[in-house]
Amino acid sequence: AQKITQTQPGMFVQEKEAVTLDCTYDTSDQSYGLFWYKQPSSGEMIFLIYQGSYDEQNATEGRYSLNFQKARKSANLVISASQLGDSAMYFCAMRASSGSEKLVFGKGTKLTVNP
Amino acid sequence: DTGVSQDPRHKITKRGQNVTFRCDPISEHNRLYWYRQTLGQGPEFLTYFQNEAQLEKSRLLSDRFSAERPKGSFSTLEIQRTEQGDSAMYLCASSSRTSVSQQYFGPGTRLTVT
Repeated sequence: AQKITQTQPGMFVQEKEAVTLDCTYDTSDQSYGLFWYKQPSSGEMIFLIYQGSYDEQNATEGRYSLNFQKARKSANLVISASQLGDSAMYFCAMRASSGSEKLVFGKGTKLTVNP
Repeated sequence: DTGVSQDPRHKITKRGQNVTFRCDPISEHNRLYWYRQTLGQGPEFLTYFQNEAQLEKSRLLSDRFSAERPKGSFSTLEIQRTEQGDSAMYLCASSSRTSVSQQYFGPGTRLTVT
């Protein structure tokens, strides 16, 4: 069974600084995908970035990058140049390719960006 | 390009009543998912449709829960004989078949059972 662990319940960062949100995963599948979603207080889950298990390069999307360390089973999200609008819950999720389409989510990290 | 929509956004019901939620996916997406999110937790998978076929169900989906997607477009999630433990945010998502197949989520329906 797949499991996602996010060990930081809350993180604080100064505006314009970078922040890393931790995510470790557990799976016996060789092929899987890792996702990060942002959930503002409005409740909607917003897709941020994706990393496939066979992708050799770390994924990047604008100010978001994913620090993928396969041997350590970690997929940390790095947000550069934090903005006040980045304050939200962030969820790491995994989809294994063993015939299941479901996403397994971690408990999330609440990020607060201070002015 | 309209996103995933859900109706209603909020529902308050008394214990024992039946409730039904609707989800309209992004029009070209053939995959549709339901998740449940309780306070302080990440979303938990409930069920998945590809077109009109329900291909995967979680053990969380007890016999009081039923989901349909009759014509492969919108979907409904019904909860019969609601219990206080059913209070949660119910999220719908859709995706198309790509190498990434990222799921796009709707705004959710917040259910409160009193």
